[in-house]
Amino acid sequence: QVQLKESGPGLVQPSETLSLTCTVSGFSLTSYSVSWVRQPSGKGPEWMGRMWYDGDTAYNSALKSRLSISRDTSKNQVFLKMNSLQTDDTGTYYCTRDRHTMGMDYWGQGVMVTVSS
Amino acid sequence: DIQMTQSPASLSASLGETVTIECRASEDIYNGLAWYQQKPGKSPQLLIYNANSLHTGVPSRFSGSGSGTQYSLKINSLQSEDVASYFCQQYYNYPLTFGSGTKLEIK
Repeated sequence: QVQLKESGPGLVQPSETLSLTCTVSGFSLTSYSVSWVRQPSGKGPEWMGRMWYDGDTAYNSALKSRLSISRDTSKNQVFLKMNSLQTDDTGTYYCTRDRHTMGMDYWGQGVMVTVSS
Repeated sequence: DIQMTQSPASLSASLGETVTIECRASEDIYNGLAWYQQKPGKSPQLLIYNANSLHTGVPSRFSGSGSGTQYSLKINSLQSEDVASYFCQQYYNYPLTFGSGTKLEIK
C-alpha cells in the first residue's frame, strides 16, 4: 500500500540547515509527484515545494531562496534542505503524494521540527 | 499569492446536524480546490478535489460545491468521528495555498 515516512532531526539550531528525508513505498517517484507541506502548531498548512514525477521542481516563492528539494529514485526518497532556519520555521513537516488536480491523496505521519538554541 | 479565507474559524454542532464550511479565494480558482480533514494529532486526509469530487473511501455525507471564488464543504448527519479541523487548499496557481482552518466540535 502507499506509504510516506519523513525522517530527520527534531531539533535544529537557529541559522542552521534542516535536512529531511521522505521515504516512499507503494508507488514510483517517476509516476507521481511529492510535495512538502509544513504546519505550525494550531495553524493552517503551508505548501513548501514539489518534486515533479519528471524530476522538475517547484518552490513556494516565500521560501525559494532557502529551500532545495531533490530525490533519489533508486532509493525511493525525496529530500528537503532548508537553510538559515529561524524560530518561526518550527512546526510539523509532512511529505505528501501530490496528484496535482486531484489533491494530495496520501500524507506521511509528519516530523516535528523545533528551531531553538 | 492567492489567499484562502475560511469561515467560520470554529463551529459547534449536534450529532445528526448538517454543517457547512465556507472558503473564499482572493481570485477565481476555476474549481481548483481540495478539502482536507485533520483529526487531533493526525495528518490531514483528502476529502474532496476539483471542488466537488469525492475522494475514494470518503463517506457520502461529505460533499463539496462552489465555483469562481466561493466554495463550501457540507457534512450531512454529523457523526462523532467528524470532530476535526477542516482545511481548504487551492491548486489553481503557485504557490499552492491553504485556508487557516475550521475547527468542528460536537455540541
